[in-house]
Amino acid sequence: QSVLTQPPSVSAAPGQKVTISCSASSSNIGNYYVSWYQQLPGTAPKLLIYDYSKRPSGIPDRFSGSKSGTSATLGITGLQTGDEADYYCGTWDSRQSTYVFGTGTKVTVL
Amino acid sequence: EVQLVESGGGLVQPGGSLRLSCAASGFTFSTYAMSWVRQAPGKGLECVSTISASGDSTYYTDSVKGRFTISRDSSKNTLYLQMKSLRADDTAIYYCAKDGSPAAANPISWFDPWGQGTLVTVSS
Repeated sequence: QSVLTQPPSVSAAPGQKVTISCSASSSNIGNYYVSWYQQLPGTAPKLLIYDYSKRPSGIPDRFSGSKSGTSATLGITGLQTGDEADYYCGTWDSRQSTYVFGTGTKVTVL
Repeated sequence: EVQLVESGGGLVQPGGSLRLSCAASGFTFSTYAMSWVRQAPGKGLECVSTISASGDSTYYTDSVKGRFTISRDSSKNTLYLQMKSLRADDTAIYYCAKDGSPAAANPISWFDPWGQGTLVTVSS
């Protein structure tokens, strides 16, 4: 049912960089801010990025966000084993009148 | 410190009812929109329902319309989700989540923080 498409998985070695894309339509990303969430195994999701590129207090600058047209991207540099988690993008969708999440991406540190 | 604590989950038979609660603390509850987000076992996140800061506006995902009702009590700083006619595919962890921006132009800007979740299992 998700209208936001993410790659199922990405992986890289420790210290390397990964990027996760989030593609959508004009009824959401094109007009509303995108946020990113990290869900570590067995825990509740946590806000990583809001308003496309802003980091809440306590989130390291290894995490970054950007937007281009109807796509958003999360970048993680200096990959650490503790970054292994599921990552979701999210935004309000005016057509469905609900907040929608991406399909989720599992990050694996090799 | 902002805290959201869910309760009310459990095992219920198909067709049954359940009411979830989310006790909020550490912020001015009446200033923020709130939502319930669920996650079925091994699946992704789904926003089930949202209620505006004032409680005047509510939103539901299509699969729960007519079965679930979201509400809030600012005198108790508590968010509720009344669930009826429960089905097996409603089985999930239900998270309470707070809008990150007070009185935002959009119904929900982002979610921060999230509660720890409460498990709802629909099974005979």
